[in-house]
Amino acid sequence: DTAVSQTPKYLVTQMGNDKSIKCEQNLGHDTMYWYKQDSKKFLKIMFSYNNKELIINETVPNRFSPKSPDKAHLNLHINSLELGDSAVYFCASSQQGQNTEAFFGQGTRLTVV
Amino acid sequence: GDSVTQMEGPVTLSEEAFLTINCTYTATGYPSLFWYVQYPGEGLQLLLKATKADDKGSNKGFEATYRKETTSFHLEKGSVQVSDSAVYFCARPSGYSTLTFGKGTMLLVSP
Repeated sequence: DTAVSQTPKYLVTQMGNDKSIKCEQNLGHDTMYWYKQDSKKFLKIMFSYNNKELIINETVPNRFSPKSPDKAHLNLHINSLELGDSAVYFCASSQQGQNTEAFFGQGTRLTVV
Repeated sequence: GDSVTQMEGPVTLSEEAFLTINCTYTATGYPSLFWYVQYPGEGLQLLLKATKADDKGSNKGFEATYRKETTSFHLEKGSVQVSDSAVYFCARPSGYSTLTFGKGTMLLVSP
């Protein structure tokens, strides 16, 4: 009965490859997010979706393309992977609106070699 | 813009010591405030929250009081355990439904 689940947990790939990370939530939330955590543990919002619509797209390279097939899923596809993309990527979800807490997945540790 | 500043770590303590991790926020609007905890190899979990001035959030022996006059939300625990070793993040809402996090404070508790 995992609330927010993302797969895979670990992803090691070569530069130039294309990869996807999947995320699903069973909390009935209508807002989902992708965050990136760097090696110093700093968390930065990448994308926010509400009811399958893109709400926030921070200054992320267009090699990163989120896709939300329905309210419960938000996948992240990354083209032409670069060394600097190595990080931990977290999916999260929340109810719509301000002042609501977010629930996080376990994270996907992406290593580009 | 909306931001959160928390003390840099690592904070190194012996078991049963008193813990304080400082957090201050930009005072735009009347945001809820949150503390999240990240144990090694895991995602973030909500530790506690407060929704208005003078509210005290508490959970697992941790407490934080929403202080509007000092724009602070410091995390405290009277007696830390080894199992409390983790990274702690202070956060506030920013924009539409997103959270802005502080840079995280690593806590290391030794037996």
